[in-house]
Amino acid sequence: DSGVTQTPKHLITATGQRVTLRCSPRSGDLSVYWYQQSLDQGLQFLIQYYNGEERAKGNILERFSAQQFPDLHSELNLSSLELGDSALYFCASSVQWAVSPLHFGNGTRLTVT
Amino acid sequence: GESVGLHLPTLSVQEGDNSIINCAYSNSASDYFIWYKQESGKGPQFIIDIRSNMDKRQGQRVTVLLNKTVKHLSLQIAATQPGDSAVYFCAENGNSGGSNYKLTFGKGTLLTVNP
Repeated sequence: DSGVTQTPKHLITATGQRVTLRCSPRSGDLSVYWYQQSLDQGLQFLIQYYNGEERAKGNILERFSAQQFPDLHSELNLSSLELGDSALYFCASSVQWAVSPLHFGNGTRLTVT
Repeated sequence: GESVGLHLPTLSVQEGDNSIINCAYSNSASDYFIWYKQESGKGPQFIIDIRSNMDKRQGQRVTVLLNKTVKHLSLQIAATQPGDSAVYFCAENGNSGGSNYKLTFGKGTLLTVNP
């Protein structure tokens, strides 16, 4: 058990809808990362927060947004969903932002129909 | 239509044999590398890491080798067990560090251990 908790585990929704994925980092970890894993793209970095502030951005679509709250949990919001957004979404956390292992949750499997 | 999956390299070994999983990285600026194991239905699990000032690091039954000259990373698993069956990813920090540190992942290798 990595200590990173993600909810929900599964989400099925229709195109055009909006969903929110939630992540609680390991106790003591200040940095939260979001990754997308799809069959044809592997693990793709989306965005990183450190102690409530956005620090790094990857190939995150404008329809997607995230935030990290004062209690350090994070939410990833996906809107105007398309079929191609179906994927596994992973949250990871680490103690600090620099060169340390990321610890991953078990992901949210999103299916857009 | 039928979805096209990621064509992962695969490695099939017999239980008890040693396994070697290879990874080529592209960014010469990377100075931190990690191996992860991902089992079906779970998130990537940290195995071992290595910094660029080292060329070898050992853990429990695992060894990571780093060859910066040819930008190659390998993971050696000793006495492979059925529980080692999973997809293995290498990851590097690329040009990132400090406040914008992130990891970039390789495509992964599927390891199958035959009893």
